[in-house]
Amino acid sequence: LAKTTQPISMDSYEGQEVNITCSHNNIATNDYITWYQQFPSQGPRFIIQGYKTKVTNEVASLFIPADRKSSTLSLPRVSLSDTAVYYCLVGENTDKLIFGTGTRLQVFP
Amino acid sequence: GAVVSQHPSWVICKSGTSVKIECRSLDFQATTMFWYRQFPKQSLMLMATSNEGSKATYEQGVEKDKFLINHASLTLSTLTVTSAHPEDSSFYICSAGWDRSTTAYNSPLHFGNGTRLTVT
Repeated sequence: LAKTTQPISMDSYEGQEVNITCSHNNIATNDYITWYQQFPSQGPRFIIQGYKTKVTNEVASLFIPADRKSSTLSLPRVSLSDTAVYYCLVGENTDKLIFGTGTRLQVFP
Repeated sequence: GAVVSQHPSWVICKSGTSVKIECRSLDFQATTMFWYRQFPKQSLMLMATSNEGSKATYEQGVEKDKFLINHASLTLSTLTVTSAHPEDSSFYICSAGWDRSTTAYNSPLHFGNGTRLTVT
């Protein structure tokens, strides 16, 4: 199970783009990179998942370099409602996932 | 998308009593489910892996006799906190994913909305 390292916290303002980088130096060949968002007193919510290069959906983009030892979650034009904790996890799908510290994003008006 | 339902969303119980938490996969079968515990302002801590039709696998330091897990069907896993004490008060979260043996679809784990347990 790959260990991940993320910044503990980040601050941003409404309308800005936020990029959260995650390091996973020991990622295995079959591991996927998945990002979750968690609001207080709620379970984590799936945001995006990728294996390599770039993945984009309606809420975020995920950039993965060729060596896959890191990944960057990009949130375009954040709003106050994006204030949450963001977790980066790596592993094979349906395998147990070990959560790291996550990144606490605070968006200011 | 895949939905995981957890019940109850919150529960208050007296010290020494037992509490059961249910986790259901609503639109898919899950041979494996996971139980996490989360204390305030901390990350999720994996407690155990629930396996349909067999014994759960507990993480180091988690008392299997205190946290009983039953996974009797492909859509339901239960966590029972036995003889609860105030230190067991926490936020319990389950997760599940598509059964890889029955589908090629590569889906991430999905999480329930958690159960807030308060032991008085």
